[in-house]
Amino acid sequence: NAGVTQTPKFRILKIGQSMTLQCAQDMNHNYMYWYRQDPGMGLKLIYYSVGAGITDKGEVPNGYNVSRSTTEDFPLRLELAAPSQTSVYFCASSGGQVLTNEKLFFGSGTQLSVL
Amino acid sequence: QKEVEQDPGPLSVPEGAIVSLNCTYSNSAFQYFMWYRQYSRKGPELLMYTYSSGNKEDGRFTAQVDKSSKYISLFIRDSQPSDSATYLCAMSLTQGGSEKLVFGKGMKLTVNP
Repeated sequence: NAGVTQTPKFRILKIGQSMTLQCAQDMNHNYMYWYRQDPGMGLKLIYYSVGAGITDKGEVPNGYNVSRSTTEDFPLRLELAAPSQTSVYFCASSGGQVLTNEKLFFGSGTQLSVL
Repeated sequence: QKEVEQDPGPLSVPEGAIVSLNCTYSNSAFQYFMWYRQYSRKGPELLMYTYSSGNKEDGRFTAQVDKSSKYISLFIRDSQPSDSATYLCAMSLTQGGSEKLVFGKGMKLTVNP
């Protein structure tokens, strides 16, 4: 059972570079999320999607973009990397809203450093 | 006042100790309360969840919710070195037709053999 798969696991970027963080799930989940986790700051929602073709901003979307062309994939794009985007990024998926007793599954994370 | 407050610790205890982890919240609209466990260099995984005030037990773990005081707790009995991890509280509510899920900062727990 693969669950939620994130690639790459680690990446170092130079300021101004671009990259895409990949996320794929094999559980046929409609809901997918991108979070960032900074030391001592908890998880902050960047973007989320409730189905293919539907995305929406979370709490901290600036500097990021997403797309959801398939149910399985939810890539996160950084266009002009800045040191403030140094963080650990987690992708997650669920079958529906947590309030309806759906469980949130997380990937193992991508550790990104922008220097 | 932050919506969800959690002491980040760290907390270090000897094996076999009873551990108490706590979060407070300010928004009485939160309906669903969760605890996630996160091992080093891994994603969080759901440990326990509950809707209502009161206690919920699962093995050595007990989740407690006090909605009147806006306070949730996770108790770990007979703690083991394998319980060493960061524990995050989380809670959700419906806002504008969408769900809002808020995480605490996480408390790093070390259980020493």
